[in-house]
Amino acid sequence: EADIYQTPRYLVIGTGKKITLECSQTMGHDKMYWYQQDPGMELHLIHYSYGVNSTEKGDLSSESTVSRIRTEHFPLTLESARPSHTSQYLCASSDPGTDTQYFGPGTRLTVL
Amino acid sequence: EDQVTQSPEALRLQEGESSSLNCSYTVSGLRGLFWYRQDPGKGPEFLFTLYSAGEEKEKERLKATLTKKESFLHITAPKPEDSATYLCAVFSNYQLIWGAGTKLIIKP
Repeated sequence: EADIYQTPRYLVIGTGKKITLECSQTMGHDKMYWYQQDPGMELHLIHYSYGVNSTEKGDLSSESTVSRIRTEHFPLTLESARPSHTSQYLCASSDPGTDTQYFGPGTRLTVL
Repeated sequence: EDQVTQSPEALRLQEGESSSLNCSYTVSGLRGLFWYRQDPGKGPEFLFTLYSAGEEKEKERLKATLTKKESFLHITAPKPEDSATYLCAVFSNYQLIWGAGTKLIIKP
């Protein structure tokens, strides 16, 4: 089982602020993912990475950006937050042998 | 188009009352079907992976089964601590396609 961490757990910010959501994992997994989830709705993939210096956009259009400079670290940045960005953001990494994804606790973002 | 549909949306049971949750899917090339449990305000917790029709897996009061078109999560004699949202996802091409989940409430 992966150990995967996200900070902050909760964040309330004003419109126009720049924010970075942190995600780290200690299992050495190459593949990492960012999902967005609204209450009662399915998870939507917004970004993924297959390793250092590899990042791709997922199916859900997002104004966020990601970077992957180190294997264990996969931060997500919003340059200018808007109320439409209010959501739960989930980070995951996957076991290369089984494709099983393991999730962090999530960041609940509220943009006022 | 790849799609995952879970039913029912919500299920209320008495403690000890067994039932099943359904996950139906249409994908172009199934590479695995995953079941997760999600508690409020937390990330999904992995339960099972099923790879081929006829496969079954069990964990405590939960048993997952798979056919060519759907998967069932059977819960036997549930307890209040089994209350959660249960998510189903299928691995197709490069990503997981997720259902919206079934919210399970077990009343004491």
